Order: sequence, then C-alpha cells, then structure tokens
Amino acid sequence: AQSVAQPEDQVNVAEGNPLTVKCTYSVSGNPYLFWYVQYPNRGLQFLLKYITGDNLVKGSYGFEAEFNKSQTSFHLKKPSALVSDSALYFCAVRVLNDYKLSFGAGTTVTVRA
Amino acid sequence: GAGVSQSPSNKVTEKGKDVELRCDPISGHTALYWYRQSLGQGLEFLIYFQGNSAPDKSGLPSDRFSAERTGGSVSTLTIQRTQQEDSAVYLCASSPRGGMMNQPQHFGDGTRLSIL
Repeated sequence: AQSVAQPEDQVNVAEGNPLTVKCTYSVSGNPYLFWYVQYPNRGLQFLLKYITGDNLVKGSYGFEAEFNKSQTSFHLKKPSALVSDSALYFCAVRVLNDYKLSFGAGTTVTVRA
Repeated sequence: GAGVSQSPSNKVTEKGKDVELRCDPISGHTALYWYRQSLGQGLEFLIYFQGNSAPDKSGLPSDRFSAERTGGSVSTLTIQRTQQEDSAVYLCASSPRGGMMNQPQHFGDGTRLSIL
C-alpha cells in the first residue's frame, strides 16, 4: 500500500522569502507524485506532477518540486512567496494500475505581508 | 472550458435521511472519482468509475453508500440513513482515462454535507 507523509501541519513565511512544503512517500514500485492546493471552500487545484524524467519539476504559479528517490521525498518549493499563496497544500501519490490518489494530511501555508 | 461541477454545494439534513450528491465531470473525461474530506480522516478515496463501470469500490465505508454513473457522464453518490459521522465535504474528480498515470485528476468544489 502507498502512503504519503507531510510532516508539518503549518508553514509560516514572510512575503518574498522562499517557501518549502515537505512531502515523503512510501510505495512499492515507481511513484507518480502530485501536488495540489486548496483555497477555502474550494476543491483541489492541480499544481504539478512527477511521472518520470527530470527530478526538478516546474508547475503553475511559480511552484516547483524536487523528486529525490533515495530520500523518497517530493518537496514543493517557491523561490519568493506571495500572500496569495496562503492556502492548504496536499501531496499525493499513485502507483501503476492503482487509480486512486493517496493524500498526505495537508500543510497549511501562511504567508505574511 | 467548464470544470467539474458538483451539486448541491451545501446540504444540511437530519440524521436518518437519504441524500444524493451529483457530479458532472469535464466533458470527454471517462474516469471519475469520489473522495471524502473530513477533519478527522483527511482525504479518503471512495470509488472510481471508468465509463459506467466501477472497477474499484474499495473506499466506500459501508453499505449505506452507493454510487452510479449513467451515460458515461454524470455520477450520483447516494448515502442512505445518514449518520453524523457522514458529515464531510464530498469531492468529485475526473481525468481523461483512469489508466493514464500521467494525467492529473481535476476536482470540483465539493458538496459540504452536514448531518444534524
């Protein structure tokens, strides 16, 4: 069975500073990794994915994530955070022939002006 | 283009009543998923449809929960004899095809269900 851990419930940063949201995973086989963001009273919005290839993945709104197979991690990063990045972030994993996403518990990001 | 549409956006009902939640996926998406988001359990998978068939119902928490999909499009999630622990946000997602592992799932805004 696959699982995802997001070790930080909350991340607080100042606007303009780098933002990192941590994610580690556990799977049998190759992982397919995703990051989603959720704003209040909204559904999940897709940010980026890692399927294969380059370990550094670039996504929407200036976000990127680095896949590290040896550390089984897929941390989300943004070089310069905006107040509008304040939201709930979810890391998710799926494996070949399993259609469902398994989500982490989520990390609440607060960017202060 | 239109995204995944869910209705109602909010539903309040009394314990013991039946409820129906509706999901209209992105046009052309053959794969459809239901998830539940609650404070205590986080995001949980409920059921997956490919076309009108449901090859994976493993996440349905009890036999009070059922879902169907007709015409390869709209899906309905039905909860019978609702209990307070059913209170949650029910999210629907769709993707072009379930077996395409590189395709993300696109989510609707959910139905917030409150059981009194």
